Formats: sequence, structure tokens, C-alpha cells
Amino acid sequence: AQSVTQLDSQVPVFEEAPVELRCNYSSSVSVYLFWYVQYPNQGLQLLLKYLSGSTLVESINGFEAEFNKSQTSFHLRKPSVHISDTAEYFCAVSEVGSGSARQLTFGSGTQLTVLP
Amino acid sequence: NAGVTQTPKFQVLKTGQSMTLQCAQDMNHEYMSWYRQDPGMGLRLIHYSVGAGITDQGEVPNGYNVSRSTTEDFPLRLLSAAPSQTSVYFCASRRTSQGHTEAFFGQGTRLTVV
Repeated sequence: AQSVTQLDSQVPVFEEAPVELRCNYSSSVSVYLFWYVQYPNQGLQLLLKYLSGSTLVESINGFEAEFNKSQTSFHLRKPSVHISDTAEYFCAVSEVGSGSARQLTFGSGTQLTVLP
Repeated sequence: NAGVTQTPKFQVLKTGQSMTLQCAQDMNHEYMSWYRQDPGMGLRLIHYSVGAGITDQGEVPNGYNVSRSTTEDFPLRLLSAAPSQTSVYFCASRRTSQGHTEAFFGQGTRLTVV
């Protein structure tokens, strides 16, 4: 079974400051890793994902995340945040493999609030 | 581009009432699922389907039924609503049931049971 831990439930940060949202996972097999973002009163949408290859992945709006296998982490970072980045961010994991359905397991979420 | 459509957006039920939450996707996705979102608990899987006629239970299936008669539709039924089912419900679809495929979410149904 897999699990995801997001240690910070709320992260307030001032506009143009850097931010890191932490994510750690647990699994007995290899995994795929995802960050989803949920803007107010909307559904979740994919921000970025790690499937294989380079451990550093980037999104189109300046976020990046690095897969660290030894620390079982997939922290999300942005060097300079904007007001529009205010949202809830979910880390998720899914097992690698074929055959049976692979479920997506979510962390409890981190509310990022960017202050003017 | 409709994607995943959920109806209704809001619903208030009395304890013991039944209702169906609708979910439809127009992307010909094989895999569909229902989650509930509660504060501090993230999203928890209720039921899922890997294709028409095939459904299975997730982490928190009690009190809910599903069916998948077509590829497009995946309704969630609450048999006898309880206050513990007050939550925000999300339907999601994926192209396949394999772990690397992106999930697309509906906008959610906010359900209150009084």
C-alpha cells in the first residue's frame, strides 16, 4: 500500500518570495509522482508529474519539483510566487506496473496563501 | 471542451433521503472514479471503474453505490444519506487505469446532509 504525507497544511507567503511545499511518500514498489492544484471552487488539475528520467520536473507557470528516491520526497518549489498562485496543492502517488488498476493516492493538501 | 461534467453543483439532503450524483466525460476515457474531499483528509477514493460494466470499491465505499453502463457515464448513488456523508464529491477520469495517466476532475458537488 502507498501513502502520502504533506506536513504543512497551511503556508502563507508574501508575494515575490520563494516557497517550498513538502511531500513525502511511502511505497514498497516504484511510483509515479504528481502535484495537483485546486483553485477556489474548482476541481483539481495537474500541475506537474514525475514518471521517469530527469528527477527535476517543471510546470509551465514556474513551479518545479524534484524526485528524491533516497528521501522518498517530491517537494514543490517556486522561486517567486504571485497572488494568482493562491490555491490548495495536493501531492499524489501511483504505483508503477501493469495488469490491475493503479489507484491515485492523495496527500491531505497544503493551502498556499500569497499575501500582498 | 467539456471534459468531466458533474451535476448538481450543490445539494442539501435530509437524513435518510437518497440521491444520485451525475458524472459524464466526453474524452472516451477507460477509467473513472469518485472521490470525497474532507478538510485535512485530502481526497479519498469511494468507487472506481475500469470500463463499462466493471466497477470496484475504493477506500471508503460504505453507503454508496455505482454503476457504469456506458463509457461516458458513472453515477454515484447515496442509498440513505447520513450527516457523515456531508462532503465535496469529485468525479475523475483517466485515459487508462495505469498509474502514469493524468486524472481529469469535474468541478465537484458540495453535499450537505442535515
